[in-house]
Amino acid sequence: EIVMTQSPATLSVSPGERATLSCRASQSVSSNLAWYQQKPGQAPRLLIYDASTRATGIPARFSGSGSGTEFILTISSLQSEDFADYYCQQYNNWPPWTFGQGTKVEIK
Amino acid sequence: EVQLVESGGGLVQPGGSLRLSCAASGFTFSSYSMNWVRQAPGKGLEWVSYISTASGTIHYADSVKGRFTISRDNAKNSLYLQMNSLRDEDTAVYYCARKNYWSASAYFDCWGQGTPVTVSS
Repeated sequence: EIVMTQSPATLSVSPGERATLSCRASQSVSSNLAWYQQKPGQAPRLLIYDASTRATGIPARFSGSGSGTEFILTISSLQSEDFADYYCQQYNNWPPWTFGQGTKVEIK
Repeated sequence: EVQLVESGGGLVQPGGSLRLSCAASGFTFSSYSMNWVRQAPGKGLEWVSYISTASGTIHYADSVKGRFTISRDNAKNSLYLQMNSLRDEDTAVYYCARKNYWSASAYFDCWGQGTPVTVSS
């Protein structure tokens, strides 16, 4: 099973600032990585797939990069609606699909 | 509009059973593989089970294998999860999630709002 590790657990950022979230895989997942956003009491929402492709309707301030074992989600200028939990997921070797433990982006 | 609506969650005693349902609309349900994903209180996401379009391929997480059964009824646009021998650690919000259409990229592109399951005496 591929273990996904996200860092940091919590990221405190001021509105308008840049946020950088990391995700590491225990073995290569090529570019088969997705990022999801989850707000309190809501379902996860797909943000990025194939490591760097934005899902339909996702603003351009969200970008993904990386391949192999190291991945980054960048939010270029945080808006109030971006404060949420973010999860990475690998789909290179499934089953099982595995998720990182999440990064909470909170208001500084 | 693509929509997934879960139901069937509730409070159940350890050792009990529960059947979750997920009603799909706004897309051709029979063309998509489906999943159940759960989230324990205050915790992250855990994949639970997968079923292919015609139910020919089914997978389970080790944590639920032998206790949970996934199924679907394409005529009713519905996905199910039969949960038996429930344990405290099965307490979670259960989401149904649609796997992307293209088999080469197996991410989950649509999620329901979730149904809560509490296992407690």
